[in-house]
Amino acid sequence: DTGVSQDPRHKITKRGQNVTFRCDPISEHNRLYWYRQTLGQGPEFLTYFQNEAQLEKSRLLSDRFSAERPKGSFSTLEIQRTEQGDSAMYLCASSRLAEKDYNEQFFGPGTRLTVL
Amino acid sequence: GDSVTQMEGPVTLSEEAFLTINCTYTATGYPSLFWYVQYPGEGLQLLLKATKADDKGSNKGFEATYRKETTSFHLEKGSVQVSDSAVYFCALSDWNTGNQFYFGTGTSLTVIP
Repeated sequence: DTGVSQDPRHKITKRGQNVTFRCDPISEHNRLYWYRQTLGQGPEFLTYFQNEAQLEKSRLLSDRFSAERPKGSFSTLEIQRTEQGDSAMYLCASSRLAEKDYNEQFFGPGTRLTVL
Repeated sequence: GDSVTQMEGPVTLSEEAFLTINCTYTATGYPSLFWYVQYPGEGLQLLLKATKADDKGSNKGFEATYRKETTSFHLEKGSVQVSDSAVYFCALSDWNTGNQFYFGTGTSLTVIP
C-alpha cells in the first residue's frame, strides 16, 4: 500500500466551471477526511466520512461543494460554479476507525486548484 | 470550539541552534495533540503525537510535551539541521467531536549552514 493518493495533483480551471477531485485512501481505513489549505494557512476541515456515511460538514462547505464516498472506498469532492476564492490546496486524509484517545490521519499529497 | 494557536514565523536559525515553536490550544474535551511537518513540495507528515496530559512525543530529535495546565504543546529540538527546513503545523483532534483535525497556521523554519 503506497498511502493516500489524490488525483489530479493540479487543476487549472476558469471561473464558473465545475471540477471534481478524487481521493483513494489507505485500503483498510474506515474514515476519510477532506481539508482545504490556502497559502500561508493551516489545513481547514471540510467534511468526513465513516465508511460511506458523511458524518459531518464544516460551515466552510458551501452548497457549491459536494462530497461522496459511494462504496466506502474512494471519495470525490466536486465544486460547482467555481470562484476565484476556491483556489487552494485540497487535502484528503484517512484513518482507521478511531479508538478512544487516539487518531492518526495519513494525508495525501493534495490537489492544487487554481481558478482563473 | 476547538482551536490551535501557533507561533508565527518565519523562523530562521543557524545549523545546530536550539529550536522552540510555541503552540497552545483550546478544547472542550480531552484532545490528542500532534505536530505535522510539510517539507517543500511534499504532503503533510506526522512528526510526533501525544494522546494525554504529561505525555511526551518524540521523533527525529524533536520533542513536545502535552501540558494540560498551560494548554500547550511546544515543539523543541536541541540542534537543528539544514534538512529540518520545512513548515511545522501544530494540531489537535478530539475523539468526542469526530476526530477532525484543527490545525495552527504553520511555522516556516529555515536552517542555514
